[in-house]
Amino acid sequence: EPEVTQTPSHQVTQMGQEVILRCVPISNHLYFYWYRQILGQKVEFLVSFYNNEISEKSEIFDDQFSVERPDGSNFTLKIRSTKLEDSAMYFCASSGQGLEAFFGQGTRLTVV
Amino acid sequence: GIQVEQSPPDLILQEGANSTLRCNFSDSVNNLQWFHQNPWGQLINLFYIPSGTKQNGRLSATTVATERYSLLYISSSQTTDSGVYFCAVSGYSTLTFGKGTMLLVSP
Repeated sequence: EPEVTQTPSHQVTQMGQEVILRCVPISNHLYFYWYRQILGQKVEFLVSFYNNEISEKSEIFDDQFSVERPDGSNFTLKIRSTKLEDSAMYFCASSGQGLEAFFGQGTRLTVV
Repeated sequence: GIQVEQSPPDLILQEGANSTLRCNFSDSVNNLQWFHQNPWGQLINLFYIPSGTKQNGRLSATTVATERYSLLYISSSQTTDSGVYFCAVSGYSTLTFGKGTMLLVSP
């Protein structure tokens, strides 16, 4: 069964460093998303991506964040100059012509 | 934006019991999904149910879009059902999640 895959599963980084989280969406899907979940809290929307551009972004998605689809299969989230409060589980999701979204297993980011 | 409220926030059951989780939302939606977040943090799709009723084994869900609520039924609960259940809705594309119901099923 097709699935969204994310790497790495865990990432520990020092405050101020840049991190890149990687995702391979389901192959025939057209819409891609990043969400995050701070420990013990609800899942929050960061950004959506369609047709090689950002279609929607939340207030959380400031200049510190960027997304890219560098090739036909990968979808990345870059966080520049990480802060302690960026520690969270980051989920990638994708959806096709229908609206049902499928989520990856997540990347747990810890900023120390 | 759309507001999503889930109840109850916490639920403790004995194995074999049945339960109903509720999701209320503030506006009309084109997408409603139920997820189970397992102890490893993965979000598992349970149902895509913007309207109507669906069943999958011991789980079933009903969404009454005109009254802006959805219900998730868990019958004959098992310890493996433990975790957080999220309802998420969207008007067009991006999902807004509720705060979840944390379910603990004890043996």
